[in-house]
Amino acid sequence: GAVVSQHPSRVICKSGTSVKIECRSLDFQATTMFWYRQFPKQSLMLMATSNEGSKATYEQGVEKDKFLINHASLTLSTLTVTSAHPEDSSFYICSARDARKNTEAFFGQGTRLTVV
Amino acid sequence: DAKTTQPNSMESNEEEPVHLPCNHSTISGTDYIHWYRQLPSQGPEYVIHGLTSNVNNRMASLAIAEDRKSSTLILHRATLRDAAVYYCILRDRNNAGNMLTFGGGTRLMVKP
Repeated sequence: GAVVSQHPSRVICKSGTSVKIECRSLDFQATTMFWYRQFPKQSLMLMATSNEGSKATYEQGVEKDKFLINHASLTLSTLTVTSAHPEDSSFYICSARDARKNTEAFFGQGTRLTVV
Repeated sequence: DAKTTQPNSMESNEEEPVHLPCNHSTISGTDYIHWYRQLPSQGPEYVIHGLTSNVNNRMASLAIAEDRKSSTLILHRATLRDAAVYYCILRDRNNAGNMLTFGGGTRLMVKP
């Protein structure tokens, strides 16, 4: 079945640095990908919608200058957490759906970000 | 998308059936009922979905009430690997490209 690959699965960075997370659809094209964030014991919260070839759409309360999203191709979206702070430590998850089919959504394995 | 209500947690014994309920009283005629589950430290994975009729696949069965205001995910024989958070989500079939909105889900604990 369709697979979404997310990398890295785990990253530790120093406060003030930037971290890039990649999300790839391996065997289908995704004009739209979604980025979620999940804090411990909580549900997934949508951060932004990544649109191939255009600007991302951010949910209310999510800083677009802090969470940079680039969707340069139909199979790759990246999320860059800039100037990371300890409160940005979370589980980040991407999702994509095959644009040609009305099918289920596929999720990446998630990225555990720890800012120290 | 319309809202769903699920119990916060449920317990099951290994190799016994599990029935996970979901209420969606404000469901519209074009909403599909989707179930996803999230294993510890992983992204969610698709389980099953349906519109009106009951559905079966290799992972589970989905029983949908006649008025569609509730549904039940059935795991026929729970295993320890089924311990996860199960999310019941409504998705409008006319908005196939839209994101999924996750509620609190049901945390299923499976006892050996």
